[in-house]
Amino acid sequence: AQKITQTQPGMFVQEKEAVTLDCTYDTSDPSYGLFWYKQPSSGEMIFLIYQGSYDQQNATEGRYSLNFQKARKSANLVISASQLGDSAMYFCAMREGWRTSYDKVIFGPGTSLSVIP
Amino acid sequence: EPEVTQTPSHQVTQMGQEVILRCVPISNHLYFYWYRQILGQKVEFLVSFYNNEISEKSEIFDDQFSVERPDGSNFTLKIRSTKLEDSAMYFCASRWTLSYEQYFGPGTRLTVT
Repeated sequence: AQKITQTQPGMFVQEKEAVTLDCTYDTSDPSYGLFWYKQPSSGEMIFLIYQGSYDQQNATEGRYSLNFQKARKSANLVISASQLGDSAMYFCAMREGWRTSYDKVIFGPGTSLSVIP
Repeated sequence: EPEVTQTPSHQVTQMGQEVILRCVPISNHLYFYWYRQILGQKVEFLVSFYNNEISEKSEIFDDQFSVERPDGSNFTLKIRSTKLEDSAMYFCASRWTLSYEQYFGPGTRLTVT
């Protein structure tokens, strides 16, 4: 079974608008964390944001925020005020378990975001 | 800002040859990882490494693969006898002890012919 699902293979957004990229996950472990990474066409993987399962508040980093709905097992990424440089592939990923040495990260299939001027 | 570095950026090798991919993690990080991404596909976990030993590995990480931290700064992935299906982008990542965020290097594109 897929651990991480990203149902939007491709998305378009107008520059300066906000966009939400969907991510749902599957785990039975009460301790886990969700990541979002950005991969521009140049290929590098850029860490954007992290949310722990026990974190009380939704994570935010600048224009990025994570809409974490634990009961629905969703961890959507919201990008506010989109910029042309936001055009990239976005991966949702998850780690499971409480031990810091047990931290394999499983990636979703990704969503390709294109920002239109 | 400190970053993970990887060399070479692109390696071309013939099937059956051994390759060593090199990584220099961020200096105060103690947890190290290798991932791979076959072109157009998702990123796959290969192995995690802490305290000079493998802490976890995936089914992909078979006997053809090995990792080593030969000195205080480098972290290497060796593929003993490359196959065509090993062609992929290989990412090294590292993280600090008290944080779960893994920071990735720019990747090494391995092409097996």
